[in-house]
Amino acid sequence: GAVVSQHPSRVICKSGTSVKIECRSLDFQATTMFWYRQFPKQSLMLMATSNEGSKATYEQGVEKDKFLINHASLTLSTLTVTSAHPEDSSFYICSARPTGEGHGYTFGSGTRLTVV
Amino acid sequence: QKEVEQNSGPLSVPEGAIASLNCTYSDRVSQSFFWYRQYSGKSPELIMSIYSNGDKEDGRFTAQLNKASQYVSLLIRDSQPSDSATYLCAVNPRGGGNKLTFGTGTQLKVEL
Repeated sequence: GAVVSQHPSRVICKSGTSVKIECRSLDFQATTMFWYRQFPKQSLMLMATSNEGSKATYEQGVEKDKFLINHASLTLSTLTVTSAHPEDSSFYICSARPTGEGHGYTFGSGTRLTVV
Repeated sequence: QKEVEQNSGPLSVPEGAIASLNCTYSDRVSQSFFWYRQYSGKSPELIMSIYSNGDKEDGRFTAQLNKASQYVSLLIRDSQPSDSATYLCAVNPRGGGNKLTFGTGTQLKVEL
């Protein structure tokens, strides 16, 4: 089945620093990937849609200059949280979907970000 | 009105019973529907996808879709303690590209 690999699984950083999260589709090509954020006991909220070779599409209320997304190849998308603050602490998850009928969206294992 | 609504639960069922999870959605022209299971601290994993009205069965899981009522459900037969998790309903509306909209999830507890 489709596999999406996400790294790191857990990161602790200091306020004001930047953190990069990688998301790779291992056995399929993904022209589009999705980045979600999930706060404790809440559902997944879509942050942005990452498009290979073009700019990401951000959801309303998500700061594009703070959450930098790069989709440099058909198998890799990165999310960089710039100038992180404690309120950015959350569970970040990427997702992609193989093309073709019947395929669901596969999620990476998630990244637990803690900003101290 | 939320786009995708689920009862947050917890829904408690005894081991071996049938668990019934429900979801309603607001966009009448939604095309694709998914059920995900999420264990605490983990990312969601796909359980079922359904695209047309009726029932779709996969092992102990059955997804049911009724587009006229804008309702999708998931039945889990012979519930096991390992089924205890949060179940997320997700909808891909027509015209929404490939974006998924998630419900808040229903917490299921299967008790011994």
